[in-house]
Amino acid sequence: DQQVKQNSPSLSVQEGRISILNCDYTNSMFDYFLWYKKYPAEGPTFLISISSIKDKNEDGRFTVFLNKSAKHLSLHIVPSQPGDSAVYFCAASAEAGTYKYIFGTGTRLKVLA
Amino acid sequence: ETGVTQSPTHLIKTRGQQVTLRCSSQSGHNTVSWYQQALGQGPQFIFQYYREEENGRGNFPPRFSGLQFPNYSSELNVNALELDDSALYLCASSSGGQGTDTQYFGPGTRLTVL
Repeated sequence: DQQVKQNSPSLSVQEGRISILNCDYTNSMFDYFLWYKKYPAEGPTFLISISSIKDKNEDGRFTVFLNKSAKHLSLHIVPSQPGDSAVYFCAASAEAGTYKYIFGTGTRLKVLA
Repeated sequence: ETGVTQSPTHLIKTRGQQVTLRCSSQSGHNTVSWYQQALGQGPQFIFQYYREEENGRGNFPPRFSGLQFPNYSSELNVNALELDDSALYLCASSSGGQGTDTQYFGPGTRLTVL
């Protein structure tokens, strides 16, 4: 049972445009959400997180939106750059005090120059 | 500052064998977590160690075990290997065991079970 779903395996965006990556979850007990970026042959790199008490968190070009009623999370990258081309994973946690994150299957973003 | 390192990079084993994977945490980090990433999937949490004690575990059988040493480096041991154990094994370290401190991942060990 996939508790965290990323339904788009891939996404292509022109350089300078907005990239929107989506994530849906089913477990209403999740209270902390994260996005990671992964380049080939490297481990995932933390991008941004959001607690369930917020609906938006911003860090430079990256903004995460949380819609708890829809159980939906999105990552906006503005403007997109070729170096953003990577696989993006969303993750969620329901167990405070642990790193027992439930990851989605990832979305491969390609930013075209 | 040295990042998280893992060894070996690649490993091939046969079914039924045992394997030990190693992880060196980033300097100053006292928490390490291990994840299994099968092909086409996201990482799955195996367990975490905080100051040498296991304090969180995912849905993995007891043949997956671990250790954390006083210098906070860590090992993942898998006994009685099965074909489905073929995956990328990632470790991640952080400076606190609270679950919200930033984790830093190593590049992973690719295990192939034949």
